[in-house]
Amino acid sequence: AIEMTQSPSSLSASVGDTVTITCRAHQGIANDLGWYQQKPGAAPKLLIFPASTLQSGVPSRFRGSSSGTDFTLTITRLQPADFATYYCLHTYNFPFSFGQGTRLQIK
Amino acid sequence: EVQLVESGGGVVQPGESLRLSCSTSGFTFNAFAMHWVRQVPGKGLEWVGLVSADGVSTFFTDSMRGRFAISRDSAKKSLSLQLNNLTPADTGLYFCARDATPYGSGSCPDFWGQGTLVTVSS
Repeated sequence: AIEMTQSPSSLSASVGDTVTITCRAHQGIANDLGWYQQKPGAAPKLLIFPASTLQSGVPSRFRGSSSGTDFTLTITRLQPADFATYYCLHTYNFPFSFGQGTRLQIK
Repeated sequence: EVQLVESGGGVVQPGESLRLSCSTSGFTFNAFAMHWVRQVPGKGLEWVGLVSADGVSTFFTDSMRGRFAISRDSAKKSLSLQLNNLTPADTGLYFCARDATPYGSGSCPDFWGQGTLVTVSS
């Protein structure tokens, strides 16, 4: 099974800031990686899949990128609605696995 | 509009079984693989398993293979997760989610339900 290591586990930032969240796959997964946003009491919402393709309706301030087995979610010009928990998910082969999550909090 | 509604959660004792259901609408059920994902309250997401669009293939995370089973009913447009020999570690919110393709690998869950809570406690 492929493990995903996500960092940081938590992050504090201010409205207008730019933040970066990283997931590292323990082996190659091509670009079969998605990013999800989850708010308290809600289901996860798909933001990006594959690694750098923004889903319809997701603001352009969200950006995904990759370099080998390292995947990055960058959020620019943070808005109040962006403070949530973010997860990566690899779907390269079975079993799939999520990263540990990154809680983005308001500073 | 794609809708997924889970049901069947509840409180059970260790060693017991439970069957979760996911009713769907708003899309061609037979054309998409379906996932189950678990979340311990206050913790992260854990991928449970997937059933292919034709119902022939199922895949599970290693720790759940052999205890859990996934099936689907095309006539009812519903998905099921059979949970056997439950332990307190299986406590969590169980989400069903639609994949973007019939097979899952190389794709991802795109629409999610709101989850049903399973509590395993003596």
